[in-house]
Amino acid sequence: EVQLAESGGGLVQPGGSLRLSCAASGFTFSSSWMHWVRQVPGKGLVWVSRINTDGSSTDYADSVKGRFTFSRDNAKNTLYLQMNSLRAEDSAVYYCARATGAWSGSAGALDFWGQGTMVTVSS
Amino acid sequence: DIQMTQSPATLSASVGDRVTITCRASQNINNWLAWYQQKPGEAPKYLMYKASSLVSGVPSRFSGSRSGTEFTLTISSLQPDDFATYYCQQYETFSPTFGQGTKVEVK
Repeated sequence: EVQLAESGGGLVQPGGSLRLSCAASGFTFSSSWMHWVRQVPGKGLVWVSRINTDGSSTDYADSVKGRFTFSRDNAKNTLYLQMNSLRAEDSAVYYCARATGAWSGSAGALDFWGQGTMVTVSS
Repeated sequence: DIQMTQSPATLSASVGDRVTITCRASQNINNWLAWYQQKPGEAPKYLMYKASSLVSGVPSRFSGSRSGTEFTLTISSLQPDDFATYYCQQYETFSPTFGQGTKVEVK
């Protein structure tokens, strides 16, 4: 059974940092492109970032480029999202998701999602 | 970026109704469109891919179609478990974009 479990969310002050983790199991993690998607409670889904299978290539939404870093450890089946210079507008539930059919030119569809971790940026 | 315009934002319906949700892409995305269902407090659930291919285990009352850059998700006979919010997502490009969502609520 595919499982994705996010952790690391919490309350942080504006300008602060936070590192999210996503532990994966039940599938060949090292063969999967992975994504982060966020959602303000009550609002829609917004793509944040993606990473290729070996972690050598990442892409980011313009809103987080230069502040967030997506990485992975295939030996530990774990994803990381390092979030720096956090702003109030980064407050959201952050989901990690597995992509199917992804390649360098296509994000793929997101076939499995974690339950999400809440990030609140507030003073 | 490719914009996805989803409508309506809210849809009031009764059990047994036929329900249609529309998603329009700002440019050609071929058939690279997925649909998701999300219930309050839960993660999105993958329903459909390549515009009209049903994910294994999803009931056959769900169907999808495409006409140019317009895509539709149809629920042929709405069931109690179907009251939720639905999102489309294009994956023509490396940066996916989602529609704004359609909440299907009880009439």
